[in-house]
Amino acid sequence: SAVISQKPSRDICQRGTSLTIQCQVDSQVTMMFWYRQQPGQSLTLIATANQGSEATYESGFVIDKFPISRPNLTFSTLTVSNMSPEDSSIYLCSVEVDREIRAFFGQGTRLTVV
Amino acid sequence: QKEVEQNSGPLSVPEGAIASLNCTYSDRVSQSFFWYRQYSGKSPELIMSIYSNGDKEDGRFTAQLNKASQYVSLLIRDSQPSDSATYLCAPANQGGKLIFGQGTELSVKP
Repeated sequence: SAVISQKPSRDICQRGTSLTIQCQVDSQVTMMFWYRQQPGQSLTLIATANQGSEATYESGFVIDKFPISRPNLTFSTLTVSNMSPEDSSIYLCSVEVDREIRAFFGQGTRLTVV
Repeated sequence: QKEVEQNSGPLSVPEGAIASLNCTYSDRVSQSFFWYRQYSGKSPELIMSIYSNGDKEDGRFTAQLNKASQYVSLLIRDSQPSDSATYLCAPANQGGKLIFGQGTELSVKP
């Protein structure tokens, strides 16, 4: 398994500002992902954080809005830029230990934009 | 058609009963299937994975897979109030990424 520390756990932000969410894993992992869970909804994959190269974004998500860094195999950040109330969601970091043991999640960041 | 569809909830069962959670998926090439449990206000946790047709049992949980019917289910025997949560079905698509269903909320009444 993997222990994932995500911070902040929650934040209330003003519209137009940006928030950077950090995800730290206690072991080296190949795959790291960022998900969004809007209120009452399921999880939607934002992007795959690639170590040493640009993140791979899913349809509907762009780098300018959600820049991602992955400087090494244990750490990643997601920035939510120029926030609006529609960005109010839970943002989750996830790692894949191997194909047989999928997707451990961090505790999530509950973001409220006012 | 949604990529992953789960039976709409909330599903309410009495304590000790069997809870049956269903999931259908549209991607015929999916080979790996996962069930997650999410308590209110918490992040999802993996409870079962299944890769081959048939049944896979783990304690009180049984996952069933039928690739021909593109159907996967989760049975919870001897349901306990602590099982009350939202259950998320997540097949892995051709690229290996998990696609989550909308979830089924389960309520186990004492």
